[in-house]
Amino acid sequence: GAGVSQSPRYKVAKRGQDVALRCDPISGHVSLFWYQQALGQGPEFLTYFQNEAQLDKSGLPSDRFFAERPEGSVSTLKIQRTQQEDSAVYLCASSPRTSVDEKLFFGSGTQLSVL
Amino acid sequence: KQEVTQIPAALSVPEGENLVLNCSFTDSAIYNLQWFRQDPGKGLTSLLLIQSSQREQTSGRLNASLDKSSGRSTLYIAASQPGDSATYLCAVKVAGGSYIPTFGRGTSLIVHP
Repeated sequence: GAGVSQSPRYKVAKRGQDVALRCDPISGHVSLFWYQQALGQGPEFLTYFQNEAQLDKSGLPSDRFFAERPEGSVSTLKIQRTQQEDSAVYLCASSPRTSVDEKLFFGSGTQLSVL
Repeated sequence: KQEVTQIPAALSVPEGENLVLNCSFTDSAIYNLQWFRQDPGKGLTSLLLIQSSQREQTSGRLNASLDKSSGRSTLYIAASQPGDSATYLCAVKVAGGSYIPTFGRGTSLIVHP
């Protein structure tokens, strides 16, 4: 089995552009998390899915950020009208079930640079 | 809100030293604590997961301990090697709500030959 896959690996956007970041979790994993990591910082929580249900989106910084997981597998994080402060690494993680004792498995991230 | 702090922020040591990295958290009502390693430009790799009912976990040269009552975890690295150079992060999964793991800022470790 493949691990968590994220694409693109790097994305450069002009300010005001919309971007879409993709996450392919490990097959069969129920839980999916998105995190934002600024340079030199720890990952900050954005949103959480259990299958197709978005159970927590309290970390999304503004209404320009939107995430979906329509079929309970692949997830997309969309950022509208990108701003320079959106520049960061966006990490996706998945875990097998919803039990609290489950490990997180991370992808390599998408590095977003907004010019 | 759970706050996670990691000390030191950075560490540079010669090869062969035994190391202790610290992680503290403000809310002791946790379910588990996970230690990760992050290499530059890469994602996070899980090292050890400690359940709230456990005191420690070991994997090779790594040993992680957990003291919930004092809100602390330590990651012990024995006989450090240059290949251990990376950023080490801890993440705490809290009780209640949707069990969202909260991360510290990490300890940046350099082990020089």
